[in-house]
Amino acid sequence: DSGVTQTPKHLITATGQRVTLRCSPRSGDLSVYWYQQSLDQGLQFLIQYYNGEERAKGNILERFSAQQFPDLHSELNLSSLELGDSALYFCASSARPDLNKMNTGELFFGEGSRLTVL
Amino acid sequence: EDQVTQSPEALRLQEGESSSLNCSYTVSGLRGLFWYRQDPGKGPEFLFTLYSAGEEKEKERLKATLTKKESFLHITAPKPEDSATYLCAVQALDAAGNKLTFGGGTRVLVKP
Repeated sequence: DSGVTQTPKHLITATGQRVTLRCSPRSGDLSVYWYQQSLDQGLQFLIQYYNGEERAKGNILERFSAQQFPDLHSELNLSSLELGDSALYFCASSARPDLNKMNTGELFFGEGSRLTVL
Repeated sequence: EDQVTQSPEALRLQEGESSSLNCSYTVSGLRGLFWYRQDPGKGPEFLFTLYSAGEEKEKERLKATLTKKESFLHITAPKPEDSATYLCAVQALDAAGNKLTFGGGTRVLVKP
């Protein structure tokens, strides 16, 4: 158990709909990351938040948005869903980097939310 | 743009048959190279971090090595429980935040 909690585990919806995925990071972790994993694209970085502020952005579609709340949990909102959005969406968190920034790639992943768009 | 290519895509091994997985990368400047293990239906699990060419890390039957262009994950005398997808990722020195770029992974199946 990584300590990162994601809900829901499975979600089936229709094209054009909107869904919200939720993530609770490990206790004490300030950074939250969202990744999308599909069969043809592999694991793709979407966005990172650090202590409530956006820190880095990947290839996240304009139809997608995210935020991190004061209690550090994060939500990923996916709207106007298309068939191609079907994928596993992972949330990860990381500890505060040490002084030498030697642990910045050690991410702790949740078990993912499997989204199926019909 | 950072790129990571893993080979082979899939590997079938007999229990005890050692092998190596390859991760080739292109990055403007490497902050770190990371290996993760992913079991079906689960999130990736962190294994190793390598920071500079020549560095090696070991954990049980796994050993990761790094050169300036690639990394290898050696599996020595694998057991069925080593079956998983192994993911390689790089982090560039100029990466915004702590962004990781992942390769497509190598699916390893170890048969008893």
